Amino acid sequence: IAGITQAPTSQILAAGRRMTLRCTQDMRHNAMYWYRQDLGLGLRLIHYSNTAGTTGKGEVPDGYSVSRANTDDFPLTLASAVPSQTSVYFCASSDSPFGTDTQYFGPGTRLTVL
Amino acid sequence: QKEVEQNSGPLSVPEGAIASLNCTYSDRGSQSFFWYRQYSGKSPELIMSIYSNGDKEDGRFTAQLNKASQYVSLLIRDSQPSDSATYLCAVNRGSGGSNYKLTFGKGTLLTVNP
Repeated sequence: IAGITQAPTSQILAAGRRMTLRCTQDMRHNAMYWYRQDLGLGLRLIHYSNTAGTTGKGEVPDGYSVSRANTDDFPLTLASAVPSQTSVYFCASSDSPFGTDTQYFGPGTRLTVL
Repeated sequence: QKEVEQNSGPLSVPEGAIASLNCTYSDRGSQSFFWYRQYSGKSPELIMSIYSNGDKEDGRFTAQLNKASQYVSLLIRDSQPSDSATYLCAVNRGSGGSNYKLTFGKGTLLTVNP
């Protein structure tokens, strides 16, 4: 069982380029999340999905979009990357969307926007 | 006022000592509380969850919750160098809409010295 996988592991991107970070889970969890982690700011929720076909905005959604076409995949897209989006991005999932269950995190994607 | 606050540390303890990590939260409606451990360059992993006032023990770890005072703590007994990591406090903000989502503190860096 792989749990949650993310791709790529790291990426250097020119400002203005479009980028999709991939996230796949094999635990059949209902809920999935995208966080960014920045030094001094901690983990901040970007977008979430309570179940396939639904998505919602988190604390810092601007400049990002997500889709949840099926249970397993939850890609995060940066339409036009900016340097302030340089961060480590973590995808997570949980069985319950109600905040009472453990969230399992993927290994992260380190993104640098120049 | 920050929603979930932790001392950033670093907290340094000698091997074998008790490490005490503290977290306060602002939303009195919070219902679920979690401690995650994050090694440098790795993703967060859950070590404890607590939902009711009082203590919850799991091996060398004890979580303590006091909803009246709005704090949650984590005690690590017989601290080992392998416990050196950043510890993240996470709080479920309560019911309704996106309030099911976890809010993370910025983390406390713990160093256990051999």
